[in-house]
Amino acid sequence: DAEITQSPRHKITETGRQVTLACHQTWNHNNMFWYRQDLGHGLRLIHYSYGVHDTNKGEVSDGYSVSRSNTEDLPLTLESAASSQTSVYFCASSPRRNTEAFFGQGTRLTVV
Amino acid sequence: AQSVTQPDIHITVSEGASLELRCNYSYGATPYLFWYVQSPGQGLQLLLKYFSGDTLVQGIKGFEAEFKRSQSSFNLRKPSVHWSDAAEYFCAVGAAAGNKLTFGGGTRVLVKP
Repeated sequence: DAEITQSPRHKITETGRQVTLACHQTWNHNNMFWYRQDLGHGLRLIHYSYGVHDTNKGEVSDGYSVSRSNTEDLPLTLESAASSQTSVYFCASSPRRNTEAFFGQGTRLTVV
Repeated sequence: AQSVTQPDIHITVSEGASLELRCNYSYGATPYLFWYVQSPGQGLQLLLKYFSGDTLVQGIKGFEAEFKRSQSSFNLRKPSVHWSDAAEYFCAVGAAAGNKLTFGGGTRVLVKP
């Protein structure tokens, strides 16, 4: 079955290190998104992409970057991890605009 | 800018009782509205969506939601809750120009036996 997978599921890293979270979908969806989930804030959009080589900043993009070299993958990079980036990160994809998105299982990142 | 408010952070309900979760949104154009559910340690699952048409929307697991444009609301309801409905529920609004979502802060539902 087609799916969206995130890896790793759990990660502990040190302040200042570069970290990359992977997101891979097998639906051939054009649109992909990264959100972070924090208590009391729901989910907030970090970056999104509407197709290969397209990337856009979301509401909380500072300290994060993405690249889209193919349809299936949208890796999220924390350039220099900070304790404020401790969170649960969700990747999502959708087939076209103005429709629902499908979410991965999430990555719990702890920055110590 | 669009925004979503879920006024209730926690709701406790007895098994078999009815449930209503409130959602208010702010959006300048025709909204695309969603309710997602998240079980502990899991991702988000779509319960239902509203794009246009009938303002009463049926979803999975016996949930329904009603879009009221005059009140900028999209409240979620279930007539009789089951213990398995204990989870966190998120309301979200989609942008007209694309489907990046703005989420509310979530409502955690606890079900008493």
